[in-house]
Amino acid sequence: DTVLTQSPALAVSPGERVTISCRASESVSTAMHWYQQRPGQQPKLLIFGVSNLESGVPARFSGSGSGTDFTLTIDPVEADDTATYFCQQTWNDPYTFGAGTKLELK
Amino acid sequence: EVKLAESGGGLVQPGRSLKLSCAASGFSFSDYWMGWVRQAPGKGLEWIGEINQDSSTINYIPSLKDKFTISRDNAQNTLYLQMSKLGSEDTAIYYCARTTDYYYYFDYWGQGVMVTVSS
Repeated sequence: DTVLTQSPALAVSPGERVTISCRASESVSTAMHWYQQRPGQQPKLLIFGVSNLESGVPARFSGSGSGTDFTLTIDPVEADDTATYFCQQTWNDPYTFGAGTKLELK
Repeated sequence: EVKLAESGGGLVQPGRSLKLSCAASGFSFSDYWMGWVRQAPGKGLEWIGEINQDSSTINYIPSLKDKFTISRDNAQNTLYLQMSKLGSEDTAIYYCARTTDYYYYFDYWGQGVMVTVSS
């Protein structure tokens, strides 16, 4: 299975820029997607296909990367962005998620 | 507005079976792939599987293929997850989600339903 590795947690101050990384154990082409999960809520799609912003998602969110290394950037971070962020690949079977990066605001 | 509402969760004894439902509204259900994802308490997301529009293609994570069955009823706009031989490791929130046929990511998620396996 394709393993997606994310850093477990980050803490930033409002107004700063934060990058959340996701490294795949093998190439996932451009089939990399990002979700936000606020506490007690279901996941919400942010970015699909590496860099495509889902409708209704603020332009503060952006995605980049290729092959095995991908990044979700939030710039600037707002208090409402406190959440866990998951990457997902849908290139290799079975589809897999990263373990999530918990973003905390200072 | 797209809505997905899971039901059928609860407390179940080890070794028993349980069937979850997901009622869809606000879109043409029969035009979309659908999927299930679960999340154990305090843990990450696990992709369970997906089903295409006419149920001719159903994919599962290999570790659950012999325990879980995904099905759908397009006339009732409902997705199902039949779970058997449940163990404590199956305790989780179960989400249904609408799947795009472009890269097969999930663009809408239900609120989730809790399944607790315990004696």
